[in-house]
This record gives sequence, structure tokens and C-alpha cells, in this order.
Amino acid sequence: GEDVEQSLFLSVREGDSSVINCTYTDSSSTYLYWYKQEPGAGLQLLTYIFSNMDMKQDQRLTVLLNKKDKHLSLRIADTQTGDSAIYFCAELSGGYNKLIFGAGTRLAVHP
Amino acid sequence: EPEVTQTPSHQVTQMGQEVILRCVPISNHLYFYWYRQILGQKVEFLVSFYNNEISEKSEIFDDQFSVERPDGSNFTLKIRSTKLEDSAMYFCARQGSSYNSPLHFGNGTRLTVT
Repeated sequence: GEDVEQSLFLSVREGDSSVINCTYTDSSSTYLYWYKQEPGAGLQLLTYIFSNMDMKQDQRLTVLLNKKDKHLSLRIADTQTGDSAIYFCAELSGGYNKLIFGAGTRLAVHP
Repeated sequence: EPEVTQTPSHQVTQMGQEVILRCVPISNHLYFYWYRQILGQKVEFLVSFYNNEISEKSEIFDDQFSVERPDGSNFTLKIRSTKLEDSAMYFCARQGSSYNSPLHFGNGTRLTVT
């Protein structure tokens, strides 16, 4: 069945770049998403990429998609303490926007 | 400001009781969804709702669950007889302006079944 895998934890120094990786299994996925969850809050859409794209940049965020390897990454440039959160990768699977989520990567930013 | 408002933010109920979780989309949309996240586990799809009908549901969404949009504005998830394992964070989501638009989630309702 469909599955999305992420590493569970990433620790970076403030000002450095963060790279969060994700692998997925459904080669027919049309869209892939990154959501951010801060403590006690909901799922905030960060960015998404269509499957016919290799890269998408949005200010400090860069998404890279390798369809051949079914690998998605999110790079956050100049990481700040406010970026500390859990980041979820999700693929669109099947109809009616059924999202398959990864377990989330907890990003910790330290001075 | 969240685009989807969920109430209550936290609900505590006893096993066997019925609960209704509510979602109020700010603007008028046709596609709505419920997802849940059991503590420490992945966010899971429950059900999608289009044009006042269920369009897809997961294995989790059994006869104990139901959804409706009773007044054309609120979107509700009802759990008829709660079990301990229903304890989770429940997220409502709405579609963007077109079918291919991404989902926007509310802040969630934390349901605790004792």
C-alpha cells in the first residue's frame, strides 16, 4: 500500500540550512505537500509541488523532487528558532484529496 | 487566522458517550475532509465530503462515525459510542477553490476518551 517515510528528528544551529527528507511509494502521486505543525496548533500548509516539477522555491523554502527515486526534500535556508516544529510530508493518493502523511520530522533549532 | 475553525479545541468524554466535533469553514467551499492523529502516530485520512455526500472513506470510518453539514455552514463529525482508542486529535480540512487545490486544515479538536 501507499507509504510515506521521514526521519523523525533533525537538530540544526540557528542560521544554518535545514534539509528534511521524505520518501514515498505511490509513483502515481500528482502532488506532494509539506505541512508544519507547531506545538498545540494545527497543520499549516507550507508548500507543495506538482509531480512534473523538479524544484520549487518559495522565499526561504526550496522543495526538490526526484520522481525516479520517489524522494522529496524540504530545504529551509537561514533556519530560525521560529522554524522549530514538526514537518510533515504528504502525498496525494487516489481521488478526492486523500493525503498519505509521513510520521513527521521534529526540527529543533538551537543557538 | 485559521481558514477553518474547529470547536471545541478539547473534548473529554466517557467511553460509550456520543461526541460531535464541529468545523466551520470561513468561506463557502464544497470539499471537506476529516483526518485524525492518534498521539505519536501518523495523520490518517477518515472521510471526504463533497456536495453534501460522502465521496470516500477509510477503513477507520466505520458505522460509529458519521458526517453531515446540517445547516449548510457547519460541518460535523459524530462518533456515536466512543471507545478509548478514539482518543486522538481530529482535524477538519477544506479544499481550496478548485479540485486540485491543496487542503487547509483547522487547529484540530483533541478528543480524550476516559
